[in-house]
Amino acid sequence: AQTVTQSQPEMSVQEAETVTLSCTYDTSESNYYLFWYKQPPSRQMILVIRQEAYKQQNATENRFSVNFQKAAKSFSLKISDSQLGDTAMYFCALGADSNYQLIWGAGTKLIIKP
Amino acid sequence: EPEVTQTPSHQVTQMGQEVILRCVPISNHLYFYWYRQILGQKVEFLVSFYNNEISEKSEIFDDQFSVERPDGSNFTLKIRSTKLEDSAMYFCASKWGREGLAGELFFGEGSRLTVL
Repeated sequence: AQTVTQSQPEMSVQEAETVTLSCTYDTSESNYYLFWYKQPPSRQMILVIRQEAYKQQNATENRFSVNFQKAAKSFSLKISDSQLGDTAMYFCALGADSNYQLIWGAGTKLIIKP
Repeated sequence: EPEVTQTPSHQVTQMGQEVILRCVPISNHLYFYWYRQILGQKVEFLVSFYNNEISEKSEIFDDQFSVERPDGSNFTLKIRSTKLEDSAMYFCASKWGREGLAGELFFGEGSRLTVL
């Protein structure tokens, strides 16, 4: 069975600070993908960043980067220079070639304070 | 920018009633999904749909649930006889290709279902 665990229910940082959200996962799949999705108060899920497990290089998207530790099955999200608009629920998700669905973590509520 | 749209945004229904949630995926997308999120809980996969048939479904997706793509644009989720535990936010999503799930999944804003 595949699982995704986010151990931080809520985090709060000051604007412009750097924050790291944790995610660990478990899978027996050899080819899988990891995602971070953002769900702001408007409710729509938005893809923040994705990582193919076969790639050793950590994915980056502007202020967002991941620390992918394959052996440790860890996939953390780092947000640099945090902005008020980053306030949202952040979900870590896992997908694999062998099936269509995504497995989701419980989410981390991130609050950016002015 | 193309987007996935869902209606209604919120529906309140009595237990035992039938509910249809509607989604219009992005027009050139081929893969369609329904997920749900019970308040305070994880997002859960319900079903995926490709080439006019269900490609995968979860244990949640029992005989009370069905999906349909009646006219090539809408993608509907029907719950035949709602139960209290069906109260949740239901998200529709679509993607262009499978690409080993490396392709981006686009989500709608969700339909909140409240069963009384």
